[in-house]
Amino acid sequence: AQSVTQLGSHVSVSEGALVLLRCNYSSSVPPYLFWYVQYPNQGLQLLLKYTTGATLVKGINGFEAEFKKSETSFHLTKPSAHMSDAAEYFCAVRPGGGADGLTFGKGTHLIIQP
Amino acid sequence: DTGVSQNPRHKITKRGQNVTFRCDPISEHNRLYWYRQTLGQGPEFLTYFQNEAQLEKSRLLSDRFSAERPKGSFSTLEIQRTEQGDSAMYLCASSLERLGTQYFGPGTRLLVL
Repeated sequence: AQSVTQLGSHVSVSEGALVLLRCNYSSSVPPYLFWYVQYPNQGLQLLLKYTTGATLVKGINGFEAEFKKSETSFHLTKPSAHMSDAAEYFCAVRPGGGADGLTFGKGTHLIIQP
Repeated sequence: DTGVSQNPRHKITKRGQNVTFRCDPISEHNRLYWYRQTLGQGPEFLTYFQNEAQLEKSRLLSDRFSAERPKGSFSTLEIQRTEQGDSAMYLCASSLERLGTQYFGPGTRLLVL
């Protein structure tokens, strides 16, 4: 069975500062990994995903994440936070060859301080 | 491409009533997924379809929950004899292929009084 742990239910950063949202996973087979963002009263929007190949993945809105197999991590970063980045962020995993349902973490609420 | 749509967006019902939610996937997406999201939690996978075939339903929360996709297009999720614990956001997603990106709809928020 797979699981996802997101460290920090709330993360607060100043506008212009580095954003780092942590995600660790467990999976019995090579995983596919995802980051989704959810704005209030909206569905989830895909930021980026890792399937195979290059371990540094670039996504939309300046976000990127690096798959580190040895650390079972897939942390999300953005060099400079914008006020519009304030939202809920979810990390998710799906075993590469298994059932198609995603397993999500509990989410991290990103707060941007002016 | 109009995205995944869900109706209704909000539903308030009394305990013991049945409710049905509808999901219209992105056209030509053959895979459709249902998730439940409770307050402060990430979405929880419930079930999924490939065309009209329901390929996984062991994760449905109880036998009060059922889902259909009769013609391989839209899908419905029904909850019978609702309980207060069923209050949640119900999300639908679709993908073009087995390992394709899942695109989510806006969700249906259910409140059981």
